[in-house]
Amino acid sequence: DAKTTQPPSMDCAEGRAANLPCNHSTISGNEYVYWYRQIHSQGPQYIIHGLKNNETNEMASLIITEDRKSSTLILPHATLRDTAVYYCIVRVGSRYNQGGKLIFGQGTELSVKP
Amino acid sequence: GAVVSQHPSWVICKSGTSVKIECRSLDFQATTMFWYRQFPKQSLMLMATSNEGSKATYEQGVEKDKFLINHASLTLSTLTVTSAHPEDSSFYICSASDLAGANNEQFFGPGTRLTVL
Repeated sequence: DAKTTQPPSMDCAEGRAANLPCNHSTISGNEYVYWYRQIHSQGPQYIIHGLKNNETNEMASLIITEDRKSSTLILPHATLRDTAVYYCIVRVGSRYNQGGKLIFGQGTELSVKP
Repeated sequence: GAVVSQHPSWVICKSGTSVKIECRSLDFQATTMFWYRQFPKQSLMLMATSNEGSKATYEQGVEKDKFLINHASLTLSTLTVTSAHPEDSSFYICSASDLAGANNEQFFGPGTRLTVL
């Protein structure tokens, strides 16, 4: 699976959009981009994933560049409860094989401040 | 939504004893479960992949005789840390795949904090 690069930490003001970047320049054509987050001392929580189209759900939006070498997770209105470590992971998958192992990098520690 | 539980949520044991951690998928069947370990200020490290009814697949560097994994049913996997030592103190997290779900994503348990004295 391709490796990802994320900034180690970011700050965001409460109520503003949080934009978390991720570089995955060696991503292969059959690899998906996944985002998870981990609030302190809890298990990771799935946020969103995509292949090449932009995706949106009730939690966030995922913007993938046309060359798929980078992506951005957007939390449109960050709250204090969004303070967590956000992990960007690329993994081989398909519609019926997305339950495979996830390899976590160091992630971005997002601090949402009042 | 899909829920994964772990028991116990924390455990303290003496060096040399064995500790069993349970991982359950509460509202779905999981043919595959994963076990991770996380040290303070570090990321999650995958230890092994557990498939129901078969032997677990361990990641490189993980001792299979020390970390015994059993996945006897579609809703339960157990991790036993045998002859635990202080260096085994860590946050152990399991996850389960709901292959029948719309996105087949992995759902994570809340973690078990193991402290070995």
